[in-house]
Amino acid sequence: AQSVTQLDSHVSVSEGTPVLLRCNYSSSYSPSLFWYVQHPNKGLQLLLKYTSAATLVKGINGFEAEFKKSETSFHLTKPSAHMSDAAEYFCVVSDETSYDKVIFGPGTSLSVIP
Amino acid sequence: DGGITQSPKYLFRKEGQNVTLSCEQNLNHDAMYWYRQDPGQGLRLIYYSQIVNDFQKGDIAEGYSVSREKKESFPLTVTSAQKNPTAFYLCASNPGLRTGGFTEAFFGQGTRLTVV
Repeated sequence: AQSVTQLDSHVSVSEGTPVLLRCNYSSSYSPSLFWYVQHPNKGLQLLLKYTSAATLVKGINGFEAEFKKSETSFHLTKPSAHMSDAAEYFCVVSDETSYDKVIFGPGTSLSVIP
Repeated sequence: DGGITQSPKYLFRKEGQNVTLSCEQNLNHDAMYWYRQDPGQGLRLIYYSQIVNDFQKGDIAEGYSVSREKKESFPLTVTSAQKNPTAFYLCASNPGLRTGGFTEAFFGQGTRLTVV
């Protein structure tokens, strides 16, 4: 069965310092993995996606994530946090074979301290 | 501009009433989804549709109904049978079967439903 674990429900960083949001997954198939961002009372926006090409994926707004099959991880990073990065972040896994097998993680709330 | 439009942004329902949330997309996407979001629980799938006139139950379909009469539209009705409907509802779409599976989903801005 597929599952997604986001290891931190809340992360707080100072502006200008690195961001690390952790995601581990389990999947019986070759997964596609996504990170989405949600600002308060808004829809979700795609940050980046992994679909079996390069293991290091670059996304929008300076975010990137590395797919590590041996660790079943897909952690999201950014070298320097900006105030506008404060939001909820969701890790998502899909096995590409069934539409109802898209699993959202519970989310990590990122706070950025001035 | 292409995108997904959800309306209304805020909706208040009296107990015992049915309400319908609108979702329209002009992206020419085959697949559309409805999710419910509660604090700390991520997104849970209510219903999805891969093609016009066809839809499937998700994990939490009880108390909800949908229709897909047009490719562009996928309205969600929250019925009186849904005992705890207060939540944030998100509609999404993606290109669908032509791409060979789930790819990037595009989301609407959400509807916040409150029972009063």
